[in-house]
Amino acid sequence: GENVEQHPSTLSVQEGDSAVIKCTYSDSASNYFPWYKQELGKRPQLIIDIRSNVGEKKDQRIAVTLNKTAKHFSLHITETQPEDSAVYFCAVHQGGKLIFGQGTELSVKP
Amino acid sequence: GAGVSQSPSNKVTEKGKDVELRCDPISGHTALYWYRQRLGQGLEFLIYFQGNSAPDKSGLPSDRFSAERTGESVSTLTIQRTQQEDSAVYLCASSLNPGRRTEAFFGQGTRLTVV
Repeated sequence: GENVEQHPSTLSVQEGDSAVIKCTYSDSASNYFPWYKQELGKRPQLIIDIRSNVGEKKDQRIAVTLNKTAKHFSLHITETQPEDSAVYFCAVHQGGKLIFGQGTELSVKP
Repeated sequence: GAGVSQSPSNKVTEKGKDVELRCDPISGHTALYWYRQRLGQGLEFLIYFQGNSAPDKSGLPSDRFSAERTGESVSTLTIQRTQQEDSAVYLCASSLNPGRRTEAFFGQGTRLTVV
């Protein structure tokens, strides 16, 4: 089955700095890679996704990069703000099933 | 409703009792997922339904766990003879068309506490 590893488990940055979270996966047939943000006590929500025919995608301060050869993808947040503080999950879509990484708790200090 | 709805929001049960959790997906969404999230942990895949196909049950942790879905509507997750380690938030999500790799929308979850 699909195995998704996510690093780091916790990340603390100063407001305005950049944050990078990385995920690796095992199944080369995986073809869709979403990222979800979960604020404390709330449900996970999609923030950005990338498909296997694209190497990079940006949406304002958020970007995701994908390296299919190496089977890893990363989330980049620039100019971090305190409201970016949350748990971020990467996920891999394989055969319809969505498998999530273990999560990264991001703390942005003002 | 406009979103995925789960009930109950909270459930406290005694060890050894059976519990049933309900999920109402977004209308028209063919795919439905169940996940377990222990306190401070990640989203553990349990089961996946897609239309009328046989469900992917590969994430169910034991035979005490089962789930059903009628067509493309409501799903129920049943846990028999609950144990304290079953305490967690159980999240349901639905997706319009996973074949086109579309967004999964989550419900607010059911917080299960086994005492």
